Amino acid sequence: DTGVSQDPRHKITKRGQNVTFRCDPISEHNRLYWYRQTLGQGPEFLTYFQNEAQLEKSRLLSDRFSAERPKGSFSTLEIQRTEQGDSAMYLCASSSSGTRYEQYFGPGTRLTVT
Amino acid sequence: KQEVTQIPAALSVPEGENLVLNCSFTDSAIYNLQWFRQDPGKGLTSLLLIQSSQREQTSGRLNASLDKSSGRSTLYIAASQPGDSATYLCATSSGTYKYIFGTGTRLKVLA
Repeated sequence: DTGVSQDPRHKITKRGQNVTFRCDPISEHNRLYWYRQTLGQGPEFLTYFQNEAQLEKSRLLSDRFSAERPKGSFSTLEIQRTEQGDSAMYLCASSSSGTRYEQYFGPGTRLTVT
Repeated sequence: KQEVTQIPAALSVPEGENLVLNCSFTDSAIYNLQWFRQDPGKGLTSLLLIQSSQREQTSGRLNASLDKSSGRSTLYIAASQPGDSATYLCATSSGTYKYIFGTGTRLKVLA
C-alpha cells in the first residue's frame, strides 16, 4: 500500500479559471476527507465522504467548490472561477470505519491563483 | 464549537534537550486526539493517536498524554535531534470524526 496520493502536487492558475484536484485514498479506507491549509494555519475541514456519500460540508465550501467520490474510490475537488483567496494547500485524508478512525494524509496539492 | 490551541507557537532548543509541546481544547467530548508532524510544504505525517478512553501513547522517543477533563494533551519529545525540526499539529475529532486542528508549534532543534 502506497498511502494516500494526490494529483497534481502543484497547480498555478489564473483568476477565473476552473481547477480540479484528485485524491486516491488507501484502498481499504471507506472515509475520505478534504481540508484546506493556508500559510501559518492548521488545516481546516472542507468536506467528507463515507463510501460515495458526501455526509458533511463546511460552510467554507462555497458554491464554487464541488467534491465527488464516484463509486467510493478516488475523489475529486473542483473549484470554479478561482479567486486569489483560494490559494492554499488542499489536503486529502482517509480513514477506515473501525474503532480508531485514524486519518492518514496525502502530500497535498499546492494551489496558487495569480 | 471546538477550539484547539497550541502553545508555544514556536520553539527553538539545542540538540539533546527533552521538550514538551502543549495542546488545549475547549470541548472535552472528543473521540480521538491525534498528533501530526508537518515538514515545510509537505503533507501531514501521523505521529500518535490517543482514543478518548486512553491516557497516553508512546512511540520511540515520543510520548503523548491526554487529560480530557482539563482539555489538555502534551507531546513529549525525548533527546531531541535536528531531524525533529518541523511543525507539530494536534487535532481533535468528535461525533462526525472530522478533525479540528490547532495552529501548530514550529520546532527548531539546533545542532
